[in-house]
Amino acid sequence: EVQLVESGGGLVQPGGSLRLSCAATEFTFSSFSMNWVRQAPGKGLEWVSYISSSSNTIYYADSVKGRFTISRDNAKSSLYLQLKRLRDEDTAVYYCARWISSSDGMDVWGQGTRVTVSS
Amino acid sequence: SYELTQPPSVSVSPGQTASITCSGDKLGDKYTCWYQQKPGQSPVLVIYQDNKRPSGIPERFSGSSSGNTAALTISGTEALDEADYYCQAWGSSTVVFGGGTKLTVL
Repeated sequence: EVQLVESGGGLVQPGGSLRLSCAATEFTFSSFSMNWVRQAPGKGLEWVSYISSSSNTIYYADSVKGRFTISRDNAKSSLYLQLKRLRDEDTAVYYCARWISSSDGMDVWGQGTRVTVSS
Repeated sequence: SYELTQPPSVSVSPGQTASITCSGDKLGDKYTCWYQQKPGQSPVLVIYQDNKRPSGIPERFSGSSSGNTAALTISGTEALDEADYYCQAWGSSTVVFGGGTKLTVL
């Protein structure tokens, strides 16, 4: 079964750091671009970051630019998101999602990992 | 930055047709996708390329797009269709989601 499994979430103080991981199984991870999408409690979906299959192209939402870093290891079929200088407003469930194309969207989503920023 | 606007809520009676709109500047020139999210679950892609259904998505889900508006239509709405629905398009080097619409089946 094609699957994405996130991990690494938790409770962190404002200004702190965290590294999220997303493990992909049962598909050729290196052939797909990937995204991180987050959802604050009771709020809608917010796109966070995009990385192409070969890591040549990377985009960030303005709200996280300069603080978050997306990366991937195709040999390990894994996607990462390094979160730094965390703020209260970064509290959310973070999903990784497989990106097909700008026309076809995100067809596989993980179950999400919860990040809580609080003192 | 590019923005997509959805109505916060839509209500529909079982068996009737529900329509959820998504507005954005010249949205019809882009492709729109739609996602369904039920409480406590991850989003699920229900429409891509404006009007195509992924395998496993019931035929009662359809999509359209023209001008500045895209729409998700659910025909013969069932109780299990009650969920939040999000439109999504590709902006200029960004992925953009609408604010989401809560569909209530009552």
